[in-house]
Amino acid sequence: GIQVEQSPPDLILQEGANSTLRCNFSDSVNNLQWFHQNPWGQLINLFYIPSGTKQNGRLSATTVATERYSLLYISSSQTTDSGVYFCAVASISSGSARQLTFGSGTQLTVLP
Amino acid sequence: EAGVAQSPRYKIIEKRQSVAFWCNPISGHATLYWYQQILGQGPKLLIQFQNNGVVDDSQLPKDRFSAERLKGVDSTLKIQPAKLEDSAVYLCASSYRWGADTQYFGPGTRLTVL
Repeated sequence: GIQVEQSPPDLILQEGANSTLRCNFSDSVNNLQWFHQNPWGQLINLFYIPSGTKQNGRLSATTVATERYSLLYISSSQTTDSGVYFCAVASISSGSARQLTFGSGTQLTVLP
Repeated sequence: EAGVAQSPRYKIIEKRQSVAFWCNPISGHATLYWYQQILGQGPKLLIQFQNNGVVDDSQLPKDRFSAERLKGVDSTLKIQPAKLEDSAVYLCASSYRWGADTQYFGPGTRLTVL
């Protein structure tokens, strides 16, 4: 199956700093999503972005499908941004399965 | 718009007991997913439904896990009998379409097996 690698595994920032999270995947994809899992365990969809660039407030994401990676940018970080960020992909070659495979996540801690 | 609802939020049982989780997806969403998330890992898909039919259950331990989706809306996931390694958060998600579409997750049920 498709492999998904996220980096860095852990990131500690001071409030107000910017950060970039990376997601590498091993096959062509027709679905790529970024999620934020807050400290209470709720998974919140940030972006549906199998290709191209999107922005939502302080967050933006870029997927370069031909090079098999995606980046999540967080600007002017706030303590509420803390949590785990997951990248999840579905491979075109998975046929009828089309299931999302999650990476192992990036644990982000924003200090006040 | 109401989100994905799950109950119960927490459950503690002893090994070899049975347990059931309930999920109500977002209204109008045809596809429903059950995931298992072990502490420190990303969610892993167990089963996905399109309306009331199973699309993929290749990662569901069928000797102890079962799931159904009644009338293409609510779904129930059951574990019988539970093992210690089933301790995890069970997440339900739904999407409007199957495949290349945004998935929305419920709050999850945290299961502890003693």
